[in-house]
Amino acid sequence: RKEVEQDPGPFNVPEGATVAFNCTYSNSASQSFFWYRQDCRKEPKLLMSVYSSGNEDGRFTAQLNRASQYISLLIRDSKLSDSATYLCVVMNSGYALNFGKGTSLLVTP
Amino acid sequence: DADVTQTPRNRITKTGKRIMLECSQTKGHDRMYWYRQDPGLGLRLIYYSFDVKDINKGEISDGYSVSRQAQAKFSLSLESAIPNQTALYFCATSDLPGGLTDNEQFFGPGTRLTVL
Repeated sequence: RKEVEQDPGPFNVPEGATVAFNCTYSNSASQSFFWYRQDCRKEPKLLMSVYSSGNEDGRFTAQLNRASQYISLLIRDSKLSDSATYLCVVMNSGYALNFGKGTSLLVTP
Repeated sequence: DADVTQTPRNRITKTGKRIMLECSQTKGHDRMYWYRQDPGLGLRLIYYSFDVKDINKGEISDGYSVSRQAQAKFSLSLESAIPNQTALYFCATSDLPGGLTDNEQFFGPGTRLTVL
């Protein structure tokens, strides 16, 4: 079983829509959680860290449920520029990032 | 200028050839990493280094070796390339825990390697 599981999508949504991505992880000792964004053929870049209390950055909201080992990302008012692959990432020790396979989002006009 | 650079950006080679991929960074980070990305498999860690004298195997180190020539340079070698090493390779760096960008990894632009 892959340590970090995501629905690969693709999610096709119209501009202005709200879309949510989910992710589950298998290691209950995981320490840190992130969402990275990867544009086609480009390098991953940190979108936001995910905290136990939940956190928001503009149109993006991330939630963590440690009991269920579940992470979510909510994007409100989708923009064309949000089209990308979103990677759920879990850190188990002080360095090792475990990446999900990514969820593909396409925002259409 | 990019903080993390990789050379070459694209490489086509033949089975059995020795290949070196290079990574340089100007972020001043001690920690450096090599990943490969395959369609449908996500990113997987090959090797990582916490400082010039520290080298560690990652999830999929077989068939690869690395060299940390300096704090800023970390190279990945394929001693005898095989077709299933065809992939997109990323170098990444990170600050020490507790640093300003704690836990965030900064990736280079990637090297697309094809082994025929």
